[in-house]
Order: sequence, then structure tokens, then C-alpha cells
Amino acid sequence: SAVISQKPSRDICQRGTSLTIQCQVDSQVTMMFWYRQQPGQSLTLIATANQGSEATYESGFVIDKFPISRPNLTFSTLTVSNMSPEDSSIYLCSVARQGTEAFFGQGTRLTVV
Amino acid sequence: DQQVKQNSPSLSVQEGRISILNCDYTNSMFDYFLWYKKYPAEGPTFLISISSIKDKNEDGRFTVFLNKSAKHLSLHIVPSQPGDSAVYFCAASDGGATNKLIFGTGTLLAVQP
Repeated sequence: SAVISQKPSRDICQRGTSLTIQCQVDSQVTMMFWYRQQPGQSLTLIATANQGSEATYESGFVIDKFPISRPNLTFSTLTVSNMSPEDSSIYLCSVARQGTEAFFGQGTRLTVV
Repeated sequence: DQQVKQNSPSLSVQEGRISILNCDYTNSMFDYFLWYKKYPAEGPTFLISISSIKDKNEDGRFTVFLNKSAKHLSLHIVPSQPGDSAVYFCAASDGGATNKLIFGTGTLLAVQP
């Protein structure tokens, strides 16, 4: 397993601003993922972040809106840029090692007002 | 296009009885399936998984059944306990190196004492 810490756990932000969410893992992992869970919806993958390469974004998500950094094998950040109320969601960091199940952080509950 | 579907948004069972949660998928390339449990204000917790080369996997009170021809899987919890009350997500992966997961919409399980 892996222990994943996400910061902040929740935030209320003004529209038009940006928020950076941090994800720290207690051990080195190759693959890190960022998911979003909108109210009443399922988890949707935003992007895959691998160390040493550009993040790979899923359809409907773009780097300008959700820039991601992955400076080393234990840390990643997701920024939600130029926020609108539609960005109000739970954002989740996830890690996986080759051939193992993915583990999730506790999530960041974002409310945009 | 919802590739993983959980058609029952909620399920209520009595303590001690069996809980059966269902999941359907459409993508025949999926070869690995997982169940996650999620409590409010927490990230999803891995519960049990199954590879497409198997039709059953058991872990304690939890058993997952896979019917590939029907593109259907189910999670059985027996006996159900009040602490099992949570949202259960079915997820699927097409394997390989990415471990990218496609999630269903979730089923809220309520176990009544």
C-alpha cells in the first residue's frame, strides 16, 4: 500500500483565481493520477502524471486549465486555473505501482464562489 | 458514453444478510476490474479486484464474480455489517502499464442494524 497526503483537504475560492493541490506519497511510485468527482457524479480521470515527462490529459481536460507538475517520484501538484463554479468538485490524487491496485488520497473538496 | 455502469444508485439491506452490488461494462478491452469503497470526506479505498482470466475472487466477506460474456460483474458482501454502509464504485482497466481506471457511477449501500 501507499500513504498519500493531499493538501489542502478543502478550500473555498473566488472565481477567476487558481488553486494548487499538492499530493505527497510516502514511497516512490511511477504512476500518479489526478481524478475529479463532481457532485453526484463518478470519478473522472483528468490526467496521468509520470515523473520526467509531460502529463497526459484525458479528453475534455487541457493543460492550460489543469497544469500538473511531477518533480520527483513522491510528489505532484495539480493547479485548477481561472476557476468557475463549475470547477467545484472533489479532486483526488491516486498512485499505482506496476501491476498493483491504485490507492487514493483523501481528496481536496473545492468550492468556487 | 458511460463505459462502466452501476444501474442501482442505492441499495438497502439488513445486517447479517447478503449485499449484492452490480456493475456492467461495454468495453471488451477491459481486463482488470476493481471495487472501491468510499466514505464521505475520504478518498476511495480499494476493496477487491479480479482479472479477466478469472470468474471469481474471494477475500473474507467479499467476493467478486465476473461474467465476461455478459460483460457483468458483481460484488457480494456476506454477512453485511453496518460498517459496510458506504458508496461502492466499480472500476475497470484495460491493463498494461497505465492502470488508468474508468469508474462507474457508484451505489450507495445502507446496511440497517
